[in-house]
Amino acid sequence: QKEVEQNSGPLSVPEGAIASLNCTYSDRGSQSFFWYRQYSGKSPELIMFIYSNGDKEDGRFTAQLNKASQYVSLLIRDSQPSDSATYLCAVNQAGTALIFGKGTTLSVSS
Amino acid sequence: KAGVTQTPRYLIKTRGQQVTLSCSPISGHRSVSWYQQTPGQGLQFLFEYFSETQRNKGNFPGRFSGRQFSNSRSEMNVSTLELGDSALYLCASSLAKGQMSYGYTFGSGTRLTVV
Repeated sequence: QKEVEQNSGPLSVPEGAIASLNCTYSDRGSQSFFWYRQYSGKSPELIMFIYSNGDKEDGRFTAQLNKASQYVSLLIRDSQPSDSATYLCAVNQAGTALIFGKGTTLSVSS
Repeated sequence: KAGVTQTPRYLIKTRGQQVTLSCSPISGHRSVSWYQQTPGQGLQFLFEYFSETQRNKGNFPGRFSGRQFSNSRSEMNVSTLELGDSALYLCASSLAKGQMSYGYTFGSGTRLTVV
């Protein structure tokens, strides 16, 4: 059974701080790693994807991948109240289903 | 560019009935996946279709089925509804090239309530 694990939170950070969201996965053959954001009552939206070990930056977001440790993380710099949402980690390998973690709820206080 | 369209948005059914949900993917996307989302279990994978063929299937009973048409539109069917089937059903489409996935775009979902 392929698993993706995330701390459910809530993770609370003050406005302007760095939020760090973590995810581990069980399938060592995983090749693609995604972070989705889901606001309450809305559907998930893709914010980052990463395929190679290391860091990938996009604006205030940085995804970090360590395949040896089977670990992927998302850093949000200068957190804003509008970043308050549930963040979902998702993982797959070629030709297989995209498997999601249960998500981490982030709360950014102003 | 139109997004993923799911119909209907809301549905109330009685236990024992069956239901059909529809999904139109983004134009050009050939892969369509279905997920069930509940507060306790999160997003659980139902099945994935690619070019009218079921490519992957999750751990759901046979009451859950789906299909994909030649225009990539997909439907999922749930027969003999149970109270536990109440959930948000999400469809996602992907620009899959060969075997690789480039991330899914989700529709707004169908909220199914079984009474």
